[in-house]
Amino acid sequence: EVQLVQSGGGLVQPGGSLRLSCAASGSTFSSYWMNWVRQAPGKGLEWVANINQDGSEKHYLVSGRGRFTISRDNAKNSLYLQMNSLRVEDTAVYYCVRALFAANTYWGQGTLVTVSS
Amino acid sequence: QSVLTQPPSVSAAPGQKVTISCSGSSSNIGNNYVSWYQQLPGTAPKLLIYDNDKRPSGTPDRFSGSKSGTSATLGITGLQTGDEADYYCGTWDDSLSGVVFGGGTKLTVL
Repeated sequence: EVQLVQSGGGLVQPGGSLRLSCAASGSTFSSYWMNWVRQAPGKGLEWVANINQDGSEKHYLVSGRGRFTISRDNAKNSLYLQMNSLRVEDTAVYYCVRALFAANTYWGQGTLVTVSS
Repeated sequence: QSVLTQPPSVSAAPGQKVTISCSGSSSNIGNNYVSWYQQLPGTAPKLLIYDNDKRPSGTPDRFSGSKSGTSATLGITGLQTGDEADYYCGTWDDSLSGVVFGGGTKLTVL
């Protein structure tokens, strides 16, 4: 069974940094594009970033460019999101998602990031 | 303001049919496949439809998807109270070089 277990959320002050992690099991992690998708409280889904199988191609939400960095370690079956210069509007539940648009997509349980002073 | 436009809410009676529209442009829906997601309260989204009209295993055939030009539609027949959820469309946007979602549609089964 495929599992995506997320960690690293929490409370951070505006301007601070946070690193989210997503550990995958039960499948060949290195075969899939991986994504981060977020959802602010009471709001809709917003895609944040994605990365291809070997990490050579990355794409970002416009507001995240220069602040967020997506990366992966296929040897550790892990996905990461380094978030710097955090803003209040980055407050959301962040989901790790495997193969967002494919039949065999999987979502992590979500982790809450709260940016507040 | 989402790139893809969905109605904020739709409603229908149990057993009836409902459609949810998703409107975009040539840089997103017009040139890429569309997926649909269902999000039940307090849970992570679940894929309902991919590649415009394909159902992953586990999606009942009461759910259908279609695309025409720069718009896509999710159809649900034989509505059940368990279908009450938020529904999102999503696709790739060539101009933004990123994924875009609709703002979501809340389905109420009266």
